[in-house]
Amino acid sequence: AQSVTQPDIHITVSEGASLELRCNYSYGATPYLFWYVQSPGQGLQLLLKYFSGDTLVQGIKGFEAEFKRSQSSFNLRKPSVHWSDAAEYFCAWGGGKLIFGQGTELSVKP
Amino acid sequence: ETGVTQSPTHLIKTRGQQVTLRCSSQSGHNTVSWYQQALGQGPQFIFQYYREEENGRGNFPPRFSGLQFPNYSSELNVNALELDDSALYLCASSPFAGGGAKNIQYFGAGTRLSVL
Repeated sequence: AQSVTQPDIHITVSEGASLELRCNYSYGATPYLFWYVQSPGQGLQLLLKYFSGDTLVQGIKGFEAEFKRSQSSFNLRKPSVHWSDAAEYFCAWGGGKLIFGQGTELSVKP
Repeated sequence: ETGVTQSPTHLIKTRGQQVTLRCSSQSGHNTVSWYQQALGQGPQFIFQYYREEENGRGNFPPRFSGLQFPNYSSELNVNALELDDSALYLCASSPFAGGGAKNIQYFGAGTRLSVL
């Protein structure tokens, strides 16, 4: 069965530091991959998506992600984290239906 | 703002009761998907409706059912509520069913259901 794994349940970074959130997927065909962010009590907001082409994709709020087929990974990065980035981040795979990872909670230290 | 609205925002029910959650899709979208997000978990796909027909279902029992109306809004009904049904229920609308580069799912803010 298809699955999405986010190995880190909780990450804490200092404001201004760089960030990388890991995501691995298991599916052989061309993946449709997404990163969503969820603030407390809120729904999911799409940060970025990958369908094909350039493996480095840019998203909103200064985020980017790199698709690596050889590693079955789609890691999310940001060069300098802001306190407002504290939230839950979900990686998802899919077309008609989305399969989500368990999420990574990001805390930002002042 | 995605244009996807859900009601109510919060709901408290007791075990054995029935509940109906509502979702209005974004303008121009004919597909609605429902997800259940338990505390500390990622969302899990319940089912999808495309042009008023169920178009795929996740691993949820039949007491989870849905409807889609001609204006593409949707309802999620849950019968015989159990304690484990306590969760955030998310609705997402998309331009059409299936995959594809332009078929992005846009989520509402969710309905928080508590079953006591």
